[in-house]
Order: sequence, then structure tokens, then C-alpha cells
Amino acid sequence: DPKIIQKPKYLVAVTGSEKILICEQYLGHNAMYWYRQSAKKPLEFMFSYSYQKLMDNQTASSRFQPQSSKKNHLDLQITALKPDDSATYFCASSQDGGGRTYAEQFFGPGTRLTVL
Amino acid sequence: GDQVEQSPSALSLHEGTGSALRCNFTTTMRAVQWFRKNSRGSLINLFYLASGTKENGRLKSAFDSKERYSTLHIRDAQLEDSGTYFCAALNNYAQGLTFGLGTRVSVFP
Repeated sequence: DPKIIQKPKYLVAVTGSEKILICEQYLGHNAMYWYRQSAKKPLEFMFSYSYQKLMDNQTASSRFQPQSSKKNHLDLQITALKPDDSATYFCASSQDGGGRTYAEQFFGPGTRLTVL
Repeated sequence: GDQVEQSPSALSLHEGTGSALRCNFTTTMRAVQWFRKNSRGSLINLFYLASGTKENGRLKSAFDSKERYSTLHIRDAQLEDSGTYFCAALNNYAQGLTFGLGTRVSVFP
């Protein structure tokens, strides 16, 4: 059974619209992350949450807003979509030990977003 | 910003042979992970290291934070080892991993 679920797998949107990417993890982790991979670029870190609180934000645009309704959920709302937002968005999770400790991150299968 | 330089970008191996992938870091990293992307595009965890070496079957990885590099060795390559391998590292102040561009490994009979 998949431990990190991302929905939908594929998403097509028109410029200017708004979409929500869903992520649920069943690993019992308390930290969750979003990453993005655009064409010809490496995966880029966007956000990290720990115990449903924002810990790090490396995304310049406020059009990207994570939403955590439950400990094991971290959705990503994207508003005013642009063609440059086309990418595969990966959710990840880990067991956050707090402070400067680091725990292995596990990744979901990704949502491939295309903005026309 | 911090960079992870991964090499080679592509690697062809005959079954039964071996080789090494390498990641160099432009700054001190506190941990590294290695992944393989499977045919469905999912990232499969191979190794997580904060230091030293780890071995799992025909794969072995090493991480030297001071010298700023990590390696992944494949020995006795099998056809199922084909795929794209990524290293990703965590620096001392960020929560997120910095990824390399990947190494596309092709194993031939």
C-alpha cells in the first residue's frame, strides 16, 4: 500500500486559475515537505512543516500556500496559475526530531501539473 | 546558492560490472540521501547517511562531510539497476534537501 498519497496524479489547468494539490502520509511522521521539479532542473525544496507549523519557506511567491488540516496532511494551494508553474510537485515526509537533528525523507509519487 | 554537482550525467554498464556515482557539494552538508527514480517516476530511498559508509546488497554509499562529497558504488550490475539515481543533501541551516541533476544508469546484457 502506498504510504504517501498524492492526488491527482496529473492535473491540467488554465492560466489564472487556482488548484489544490493533495498530500497525505501514513508513515506516522510529523514533518512534511513540498518540492517542485521543473523541466531540466533538479528537484527544488519549497516548504517544510513540522507538527502542522511552517518551519521553512524557500518559495518567493505568495501564490503558493501550504494547508495543513491534519497532522498527516499537507496540501498545496496554488493561485493565479502561470505556465511557468508547470512542473511535477512532490510531497515528502520525515520523523522530525526537532532542532538540528535530521531524519530521512520519504517522497510521494508526485503530481504533474501543466498550466496552459 | 548551495549546489550539488552530480556526475556522471549518464552511465552505461554491462551486466556484472560496476561503477561509481559521485556528488560534490559546494558547502558543508550534514546529511545525504541517495534515491533511484523508478519507471513510474517515484523516488525510491536507497541510503541516508550523516557520515561514514553504508552497504545494502550490491550498493554501497559513502559520505564525507568535511571533504564535501558522497559516492554511490554499484557492483555486479543487473538489468533492474537501470534508472536515474539522485543524490540530495541537507546543509546546516535549511530544512529541505538540495538535489543533484541525477545520473541516468543503463545496464546492458
